[in-house]
Amino acid sequence: KQEVTQIPAALSVPEGENLVLNCSFTDSAIYNLQWFRQDPGKGLTSLLLIQSSQREQTSGRLNASLDKSSGRSTLYIAASQPGDSATYLCAVLDSSYKLIFGSGTRLLVRP
Amino acid sequence: ETGVTQSPTHLIKTRGQQVTLRCSSQSGHNTVSWYQQALGQGPQFIFQYYREEENGRGNFPPRFSGLQFPNYSSELNVNALELDDSALYLCASSFTRDRVETQYFGPGTRLLVL
Repeated sequence: KQEVTQIPAALSVPEGENLVLNCSFTDSAIYNLQWFRQDPGKGLTSLLLIQSSQREQTSGRLNASLDKSSGRSTLYIAASQPGDSATYLCAVLDSSYKLIFGSGTRLLVRP
Repeated sequence: ETGVTQSPTHLIKTRGQQVTLRCSSQSGHNTVSWYQQALGQGPQFIFQYYREEENGRGNFPPRFSGLQFPNYSSELNVNALELDDSALYLCASSFTRDRVETQYFGPGTRLLVL
């Protein structure tokens, strides 16, 4: 059974810092891995999608990597801003096309 | 804005009642998935519909059921509501089941069961 774990559960950093969010999954038989952002009480916004054959994806200040063999992904946020404060969710698309989510990392960027 | 809409935005029900939640997919999308997100947790997959047929189900009891219509809009029905059903319910649509396609999420319906 696929399980997705995110560490840390919460993170508070001063504005301008570079930071790394971690995601691990137990079954390497995935089609892709996605990182989402969720603002309080809102739906999910897709940030980056990495196919199983890819190693990383970049969008602006965000960079996500995938090491499928070790079951790990990281989301790197450069030069963090208060507007980056949100919950970041990692999800893998399993072999039956189900998205399996981690519990998220709550990020607070202090001005 | 993803083009996926859900209604209602909020709902309060009492234990034992039945509820219907609605989702309108992004134009051209024929696949819809439903998720339940309890407070402080990640979303959990309920089921998926592809071209009006159920196409996979998570670990949810049969009192959770769904429909997808010819225009690819969808409903989630929950019977005999329990207190633990209180959660944010999210629907997500995609163009196909294909693995290269991302899913686009709606804003969710927040259900409170008293």
